[in-house]
This record gives sequence, structure tokens and C-alpha cells, in this order.
Amino acid sequence: EDKVVQSPLSLVVHEGDTVTLNCSYEVTNFRSLLWYKQEKKAPTFLFMLTSSGIEKKSGRLSSILDKKELFSILNITATQTGDSAVYLCAAPRLGAGGTSYGKLTFGQGTILTVHP
Amino acid sequence: DTEVTQTPKHLVMGMTNKKSLKCEQHMGHRAMYWYKQKAKKPPELMFVYSYEKLSINESVPSRFSPECPNSSLLNLHLHALQPEDSALYLCASSQPGLRSGNTIYFGEGSWLTVV
Repeated sequence: EDKVVQSPLSLVVHEGDTVTLNCSYEVTNFRSLLWYKQEKKAPTFLFMLTSSGIEKKSGRLSSILDKKELFSILNITATQTGDSAVYLCAAPRLGAGGTSYGKLTFGQGTILTVHP
Repeated sequence: DTEVTQTPKHLVMGMTNKKSLKCEQHMGHRAMYWYKQKAKKPPELMFVYSYEKLSINESVPSRFSPECPNSSLLNLHLHALQPEDSALYLCASSQPGLRSGNTIYFGEGSWLTVV
């Protein structure tokens, strides 16, 4: 069965700190890994990673995938209180015929709290 | 802002009621999904529709009945629910098939409380 594990489960930091969130996976026929940010509503898409070693960047957030070691990290630099959220990583499971439907296997999430 | 729109945002229903959750997307996606999320847990897949046909049912009880009237709309009909069905119901969409841009986008969810 596919498995996605995130660490740490929770993290408390102060504004300006840099954080690294971890996601390891065991997924049959791996194709991609997705990162989402969830506040008190639906998950918001952050990154999709398909290739090893290529960093994806969006503002203060960046993410990279290591397909050999089966993990990904999400970095947030100069954290702000608005970064407080649950960060989820997820891997799509292949459907029939090798298609990749939205059957996402999620990790448990990392609860990030940023204090002023 | 999400391009997947869900209504209502909040719903309180009794165990004998019949209600529906609605979802709409205009991104031209041909796969749509219902996920259920309980507090402090990640979302769990319920149903997948691909090209308006039900392709995955994750052994969901029959008191939940999905419907996909067209490629932009997805409904979830609710009948005789139990209090433990109270949760955040998330609609999502994507392109079906394996492509590099196969990202799944979520709506803002419908908070359901069964009393």
C-alpha cells in the first residue's frame, strides 16, 4: 500500500525563522509529489515535483525532490505569521491503464505555527 | 483564489434529511473528485469521475450518492446521514491521464454537520 510520511508533525517558530518540512514516500509507480498548504479551508496547491534535484521556487517557498532516497523537502525562509497552516504532501496513485487520477495518498501533515 | 466552487459552504442537516452538495469548475478539467476530511486528518478520497463516468468508489456507504451531470458539475447527494459523517467535504478537479501538469485543485469545501 502507498505510504507518505511527514515530519515533524508540528513545528513552532518565530517570524523570520527558516523552516524545513520533510516528506518521505513509498509509492508504487511513482510519478509526482504534490505539496499543499491548508488553512481553515481547502488545500491550496503549492508545488508539483516530478524530477529529482530540480528545485521549484515560489517567493519564500521552495521544494525539491530526491527520487533515489524517496523524499522531498519544503523550505520556507523568513517565515511570517501568514505561513501558519497545515502543510500536506501527497502522491497521486495510478489508475487503470497507467492513468493518474486524483487518488492522492496524503501524509499526516505538518502543523506550522509562526509566532510574531 | 480557487477555481473550483463549492456550495453551500456550511450545511447542518438532520439524520432524516436529504440534501446535496454542489461543485463547479470551469478549468476544462475532465476528472472530478469528492474527498472527505475529518478534523486533524488528511483528506480521504470518496469518488472519482472521469469524463463524467464514475471510475472510483472507495467503498463509500450508499447514503452518499454522487452525480456528474456534465463535465463542469459534480453533486454529492446526502440521505440518512449519521453524526459521524460530519466533516469537511472537498471537491477537486484535474485533467485525467498522466501528464506533467496533472495537478489536482481543490475547492474551498463544504462544512457538513449532521445532528
